[in-house]
Amino acid sequence: DIVMTQSPDSLAVSLGERATINCKSSQSVLYTSNSDNYLAWFQQKPGQPPKLLIYWASTRESGVPDRFSGSGSGTDFALTISSLQAEDVAVYYCQQYYSSPVTFGQGTRLEIK
Amino acid sequence: VQLVESGGGLVLPGGSLRLSCAASGFTFRNYRMNWVRQAPGKGLEWLSYISPSSSTINYADSVKGRFTISRDNAKNSLFLHMNSLRAEDTAVYYCARDHLSYGYFDLWGRGTLVTVSS
Repeated sequence: DIVMTQSPDSLAVSLGERATINCKSSQSVLYTSNSDNYLAWFQQKPGQPPKLLIYWASTRESGVPDRFSGSGSGTDFALTISSLQAEDVAVYYCQQYYSSPVTFGQGTRLEIK
Repeated sequence: VQLVESGGGLVLPGGSLRLSCAASGFTFRNYRMNWVRQAPGKGLEWLSYISPSSSTINYADSVKGRFTISRDNAKNSLFLHMNSLRAEDTAVYYCARDHLSYGYFDLWGRGTLVTVSS
């Protein structure tokens, strides 16, 4: 199974500042045949199900604010929130769908400083 | 467009439970569907998927042989039959729609809580 490791486990950022969450996979999730990275990001607020933010490592889901962006390739990825808003307080998860079983990172808790 | 899970509750260790997921607002029969769980205060664990026609099914090792996924496309419903339940199966169980069968999940239900305890 591919192990997904996120860093940090928790993060406190001031409103309006940039927040970056990292995700590392134990093996590459890049399919060289199509140059796609099989990596998604989810946001989960308390008492709610996860919400898809980003797929193919950098494609924003419809309706997701453009302050959210994904980057990286191969084994190293990042989710960046360019200007933190109060409603962004949540736990964020990365997920690989390169191989079965799909696996998630342990989560990163994002709070307001 | 929504998924609504039901069937959770308190069950004794070794017991059984059947979860349901009702889909609406989209063409259910066209999508691969999944079950994902989240233990209290923990992360997300994929459990199983079923292809649109039920021809392909896959399970996580942690539930293989104990859980059975199924679907009824005529009733827009997904099911998870859970047997030989253990304390470590205590979690919120989510059904999730698979985008074009790639393996990432673009629609989630609100979940149903399963508690395994004596």
